[in-house]
Amino acid sequence: EVQLVESGGDLVQPGGSLRLSCAASGFYFSRYSMSWVRQAPGKGLEWVANINKDGSEKYYMDSVKGRFTISRDNAKESHYLQMNGLRAEDTAVYYCARVDRTFLDDYPYMDVWGKGTTVTVSS
Amino acid sequence: DIQMTQSPSTLSASVGDRVTITCRASQSISRWLAWYQQKPGKAPKLLIYKASSLESGVPSRFSGSGSGTEFTLTVSSLQPDDFATYYCQQFSSYPWTFGQGTKVELK
Repeated sequence: EVQLVESGGDLVQPGGSLRLSCAASGFYFSRYSMSWVRQAPGKGLEWVANINKDGSEKYYMDSVKGRFTISRDNAKESHYLQMNGLRAEDTAVYYCARVDRTFLDDYPYMDVWGKGTTVTVSS
Repeated sequence: DIQMTQSPSTLSASVGDRVTITCRASQSISRWLAWYQQKPGKAPKLLIYKASSLESGVPSRFSGSGSGTEFTLTVSSLQPDDFATYYCQQFSSYPWTFGQGTKVELK
């Protein structure tokens, strides 16, 4: 079964750090880019970061640049989101998602999602 | 950044209705668009990719169309399981932005 399982969410004080993990199973992990998407309480979806297959290319939304770092370990079939300098506005459910692409024309889309892990930033 | 605007924000409908949700991009994104369905407390589910390609296992009552800056998601005959929130997402350029969502509720 194709599956993504997030972990690492917690209650943390403003300015603190947290590392989220996403463990993949049921597919060739190293063949896919991976993303993190978050959802603040009662709000919509917000794309956070993406990492390509070999970890050489990383992209972030503006508000997390310089604070969050996405990484992956293909041998462990996992990817991660290191979050530093956390703010109240980072409070959200964080989902990891697999990015697949159409075969000939390379259109991306997020076809497999984890159930999410909750990050709460509060004093 | 490319802004994605969905309309309406809320849609009241009955079982059997044909419903259409619109997603507009602030600049042309060709067909680099996906649609997702999300139910409360659950992860999003992919419905449509490349603007009009139906994801495997998704009922054929769902369809997508459009290119450039205007896109639509249509449900041909709304079923009880379809009451949910729907999001579009563009993949034309980073950051990969989502629309604000459209909640489909029971009239």
